[in-house]
Amino acid sequence: KQEVTQIPAALSVPEGENLVLNCSFTDSAIYNLQWFRQDPGKGLTSLLLIQSSQREQTSGRLNASLDKSSGRSTLYIAASQPGDSATYLCAAGGATNKLIFGTGTLLAVQP
Amino acid sequence: DTGVSQNPRHKITKRGQNVTFRCDPISEHNRLYWYRQTLGQGPEFLTYFQNEAQLEKSRLLSDRFSAERPKGSFSTLEIQRTEQGDSAMYLCASSRLGDSSYEQYFGPGTRLTVT
Repeated sequence: KQEVTQIPAALSVPEGENLVLNCSFTDSAIYNLQWFRQDPGKGLTSLLLIQSSQREQTSGRLNASLDKSSGRSTLYIAASQPGDSATYLCAAGGATNKLIFGTGTLLAVQP
Repeated sequence: DTGVSQNPRHKITKRGQNVTFRCDPISEHNRLYWYRQTLGQGPEFLTYFQNEAQLEKSRLLSDRFSAERPKGSFSTLEIQRTEQGDSAMYLCASSRLGDSSYEQYFGPGTRLTVT
């Protein structure tokens, strides 16, 4: 059974810092790994998707990496801004493509 | 707007009442998923459809829950005899079979409060 864990549960950083969010999963037989952003009381916004055959994906200040053998993914945010404050969720997609989510990292970027 | 839409956005109901939510996926997306998210947790898978066929149901989906996708387009999720434990955000997502990335696109969710 796939289990997804995210560390840390919460993170507070000053504006401008680079930061790394961690995601680990127990079953390496994944089809993809998605990172989402969720603002309070809102739905999910897809940030990056890494297919199982890929090692990383980049979008603007965001870079996500995937290491299937170790069961890990990281989301790197460069030059953080107060607008980046949100909950970040990672999710592992399996054979039926249902997503198994972690509990998220609550990020606060202080101006 | 060509994204996933969900209605209503908020629903407050009394315990014991029935509620129904609707999800309209992105046009031509043949896979549709339902998830439930409680406060402080990540979303949990409930069920998914490929076209009109319901292919998988989570054990979280008790017999009070039923989902349909009658014509392979929109989907409804009904909860009968609601309980306070049903209070959550219900999220819908869609994806396109044949898209090699299997990326899922989420709607804004329906927040259910059972009093």
